[in-house]
Amino acid sequence: NAGVMQNPRHLVRRRGQEARLRCSPMKGHSHVYWYRQLPEEGLKFMVYLQKENIIDESGMPKERFSAEFPKEGPSILRIQQVVRGDSAAYFCASSPAGQNYGYTFGSGTRLTVV
Amino acid sequence: AQSVTQPDIHITVSEGASLELRCNYSYGATPYLFWYVQSPGQGLQLLLKYFSGDTLVQGIKGFEAEFKRSQSSFNLRKPSVHWSDAAEYFCAVGTTGTASKLTFGTGTRLQVTL
Repeated sequence: NAGVMQNPRHLVRRRGQEARLRCSPMKGHSHVYWYRQLPEEGLKFMVYLQKENIIDESGMPKERFSAEFPKEGPSILRIQQVVRGDSAAYFCASSPAGQNYGYTFGSGTRLTVV
Repeated sequence: AQSVTQPDIHITVSEGASLELRCNYSYGATPYLFWYVQSPGQGLQLLLKYFSGDTLVQGIKGFEAEFKRSQSSFNLRKPSVHWSDAAEYFCAVGTTGTASKLTFGTGTRLQVTL
């Protein structure tokens, strides 16, 4: 019973490139959440998705960031034209429908922008 | 808006000593409260959670936490710390409603001396 799978574990991008982070939820989980952890800080909520729907994106930066959770395949967090300030650990969590806060976190993707 | 304060950035205890990590929250209604642990380079693991009922909550790895409404606190305790408990500990608050998003504190780094 695999947990929440995130890939890649580490990602290095040059300024101006695009970063695509993937998250495969646990089997049977239909809700996905993305959080960002800046160095020496706690996690900050970014977006909450269900299959083919964005439920809450109140934590997403207004520009360059987007997220999707298609009917088939993993959830994708996409960062266009990355800047140094985007360097952080990005965590995905999933939960079953109807279980608020029944989160399981993935191990994260550590993005470094050079 | 809700918030979480973890006043201790770094704590050092001797192995076998007792531990208490402080957490204070701000939220208008009865909160959902959580403690997570993060080992270096890893994702977050849920230690325990409080939704309602008994204010003393037992978690994994011998941890417990007590919800004190009058003090807006949810402190984490362990009677005897093991060297493997060295990690970063995060307190989080969740709101009622459907969004199920968590607000995290900035974390407390626990160091255990032998």
